[in-house]
Amino acid sequence: KNQVEQSPQSLIILEGKNCTLQCNYTVSPFSNLRWYKQDTGRGPVSLTIMTFSENTKSNGRYTATLDADTKQSSLHITASQLSDSASYICVVSGGGGSQGNLIFGKGTKLSVKP
Amino acid sequence: NAGVTQTPKFQVLKTGQSMTLQCAQDMNHEYMSWYRQDPGMGLRLIHYSVGAGITDQGEVPNGYNVSRSTTEDFPLRLLSAAPSQTSVYFCASSYSRGGNTGELFFGEGSRLTVL
Repeated sequence: KNQVEQSPQSLIILEGKNCTLQCNYTVSPFSNLRWYKQDTGRGPVSLTIMTFSENTKSNGRYTATLDADTKQSSLHITASQLSDSASYICVVSGGGGSQGNLIFGKGTKLSVKP
Repeated sequence: NAGVTQTPKFQVLKTGQSMTLQCAQDMNHEYMSWYRQDPGMGLRLIHYSVGAGITDQGEVPNGYNVSRSTTEDFPLRLLSAAPSQTSVYFCASSYSRGGNTGELFFGEGSRLTVL
């Protein structure tokens, strides 16, 4: 069964610290992996999209990594800010011509405290 | 650009009532979709469309109808609301190339409560 598992479920860190969020998937075939940020009460916003051949992709203080062999991805946040408090959602696209084949993780809720 | 616009933002219904959630995008995207988000469940696909006149069911389609008469609009209809449909609904759109979906752009959500 196609699944996307994220860990931890929630995380609290102090402002200025770094953190890493994990995403493991069993989706096959694989087309790409995406990370989204969802602020409370808002819609998700795309952070990165990585294809099979991409190992690392950065967007400002956000760096995503992908290991297609082990089917794992991580999102590293550097020098966290209060505005980083949000849920982070990992989404894997199964491709294969099926437009509905986007598998969503349940998200990691990050709280950044002053 | 307005992006993806959803209306209404909040709605309270009584069991058995019907209503339509509106979604419009101004990015000329072929792909549009509706998701519901419930606590602890993540986003679940209700229906999607790969172009005007084409719709298909997602993971949780029961109790919902959609149509796609234009590229811009993709309304979601609740036929007879039930308390189990209390949720936050998100519309999303993206380009579509060769069967693959590009970056999803989400609306701000519609919070629905069914009493």
